[in-house]
Amino acid sequence: DIQMTQSPASLSASLGETVTIECRASEDIYSNLAWYQQKPGNSPQLLIYDANSLADGVPSRFSGSGSGTQYSLKINSLQSEDVASYFCQQYNNYPNTFGAGTKLELK
Amino acid sequence: EVQLVESGGGLVQPGRSLKLSCLASGFTFSNYGMNWIRQAPGKGLEWVASISSSSSYIYYADTVKGRFTISRDNAKNTLYLQMTSLRSEDTALYYCARHAWSDYWGQGVMVTVSS
Repeated sequence: DIQMTQSPASLSASLGETVTIECRASEDIYSNLAWYQQKPGNSPQLLIYDANSLADGVPSRFSGSGSGTQYSLKINSLQSEDVASYFCQQYNNYPNTFGAGTKLELK
Repeated sequence: EVQLVESGGGLVQPGRSLKLSCLASGFTFSNYGMNWIRQAPGKGLEWVASISSSSSYIYYADTVKGRFTISRDNAKNTLYLQMTSLRSEDTALYYCARHAWSDYWGQGVMVTVSS
């Protein structure tokens, strides 16, 4: 099974700051990676698919990059509504696997 | 508008069975693979099972293989998860989601396994 190591586990940042979350796969996942945002009490929402494609309706301050085993999610100009947990997921192989998540808070 | 609505959750004793349903609308259900993903209280996301659009390909997490069965009825636009031999560690919010990268999710249905 492919292991997804996500870091950091938690993050505190100020409004307007740029934030980066990373995921490392235990083997090459050929950019078959998605990022999700989950706010408390809500279902996860797709942000990024295929490592760098922005999902419909997602603000352009979110971006994804990476290849091979290393991937990152960047949030430019952090807004208050970005306070949430973020998860990566690989769908290159079954079983699909998620990262453990990053909890983003405002400083 | 794409909608996924789960149902069938509840409180069940260990060792018993439960069947979840996910009614899809707003898209051509038969064109998409579907997933079940769960989230234990206060925990992260765990992929459970996936089924291809025509049910030709089915995959399970090792934690549920042999106990859970994913299926679908394209005529009824409905995805199912038959869960048997339930354990306390199956307690979670169960989501259905569309497509390989889960572009749409339902609101989730709670399954609690407890005596």
